[in-house]
Amino acid sequence: EVHLVESGGGLVQPGGSLRLSCAASAITLSSCEIHWVRQAPGKGLEWISYISSSGNTVYYADSVKGRFNQSRDNAKNSVFLQMNNLRVEDTAIYYCATSGLSLYFGNLILIPFDHWGQGARVTVSS
Amino acid sequence: IQMTQSPSSLSASVGDRVTITCRASQDISNYVAWFQQKPGNAPKSLIFAASSLQSGVPSEFSGSGSGTVFTLTINSLQPEDFATYYCQQYKDYPLTFGQGTRLEIK
Repeated sequence: EVHLVESGGGLVQPGGSLRLSCAASAITLSSCEIHWVRQAPGKGLEWISYISSSGNTVYYADSVKGRFNQSRDNAKNSVFLQMNNLRVEDTAIYYCATSGLSLYFGNLILIPFDHWGQGARVTVSS
Repeated sequence: IQMTQSPSSLSASVGDRVTITCRASQDISNYVAWFQQKPGNAPKSLIFAASSLQSGVPSEFSGSGSGTVFTLTINSLQPEDFATYYCQQYKDYPLTFGQGTRLEIK
């Protein structure tokens, strides 16, 4: 069974930094596209970042562009989200999720957001 | 691309059939996914490509639509189906989610 595990969350002051990691078991992350999605307390889901399987293409939501940086180390089967200049409004649970190739009724297709981690809690507060 | 989901909340009984609608602000073909989230848990993917069921998802769930209007239908509600549901477009970046529909027991 595929497991994604986020780590690195915690309490940080405004303007501080955190680095989240997403590690996987029973799946090779190097073959997957990875997304980060966050959920502020009591709010809905917000997509914030994407990285291609090669790491050559990265996209960010406007709310984090210029402050967050996603990278991957395929040798370690891990993906990272470096979060700088954190703001109170970045307080949320951060989920990593995969989009990967799978056999679907005999066809190899890209299935989006097929596996999710349990989330890492990030609290930005003074 | 904005995704407008309705209703924001819904009360129903076990055995009922319910439909949730998502409207995209522009044509997104069939690049829509639906997710279920229960309190304290990560979202779970139900449907991708508007109507394709994720592996392991019960057949009581179905999705339809293309272009700008999409629906998630749950036939014969089970107790474990009471949760919050989100649509998402993955046609263009930034990806966007609907506001969510909270499905409660009547």
